[in-house]
Amino acid sequence: DQQVKQNSPSLSVQEGRISILNCDYTNSMFDYFLWYKKYPAEGPTFLISISSIKDKNEDGRFTVFLNKSAKHLSLHIVPSQPGDSAVYFCAASASSGTYKYIFGTGTRLKVLA
Amino acid sequence: DSGVTQTPKHLITATGQRVTLRCSPRSGDLSVYWYQQSLDQGLQFLIQYYNGEERAKGNILERFSAQQFPDLHSELNLSSLELGDSALYFCASSVGSLNEQFFGPGTRLTVL
Repeated sequence: DQQVKQNSPSLSVQEGRISILNCDYTNSMFDYFLWYKKYPAEGPTFLISISSIKDKNEDGRFTVFLNKSAKHLSLHIVPSQPGDSAVYFCAASASSGTYKYIFGTGTRLKVLA
Repeated sequence: DSGVTQTPKHLITATGQRVTLRCSPRSGDLSVYWYQQSLDQGLQFLIQYYNGEERAKGNILERFSAQQFPDLHSELNLSSLELGDSALYFCASSVGSLNEQFFGPGTRLTVL
């Protein structure tokens, strides 16, 4: 049972344009969400997070949007740069639960120069 | 550099064998997490320790076990290895249980 889904395994975007990565979840108890970026041969790196009390969180070129009613979150990267090419994972957790994070399967982003 | 170290970087072994993967968390972090990433799969949560105590358990097989020592480093023991256990094993650490996690570089396990 995949509680966190990233339905697009890959995405290609032109440099300078917006990249939108999507993530859906099924467990309504999830109230904290994170995005990680992973380069080959490295561990994932934390990018940005959002709590369910917010619907938007911004950090530089990265913005995460949360739509609780749709159980959907998205990561926007503007403008996209070639160095953003990586695999992006979303993760969710329930503060009232057992504290574990459930990760999606990842979306491979390729930013074309 | 996340500050989380994992050894060894690569491990090649045979079916039926037992291996131990080691993780040192970032200084000050009390929580340690173990994840498995198989080919083209997401990160599967295995187990979490907080200050020496098991805090949460995921899809960890009975053949696998872990512990966190008083100095907060952690070991993941994998026994009776099967071909399907070949994967990247990541360790992550965080200050508490619901904070951002910092991942190590991973240990690539190959079971032949």
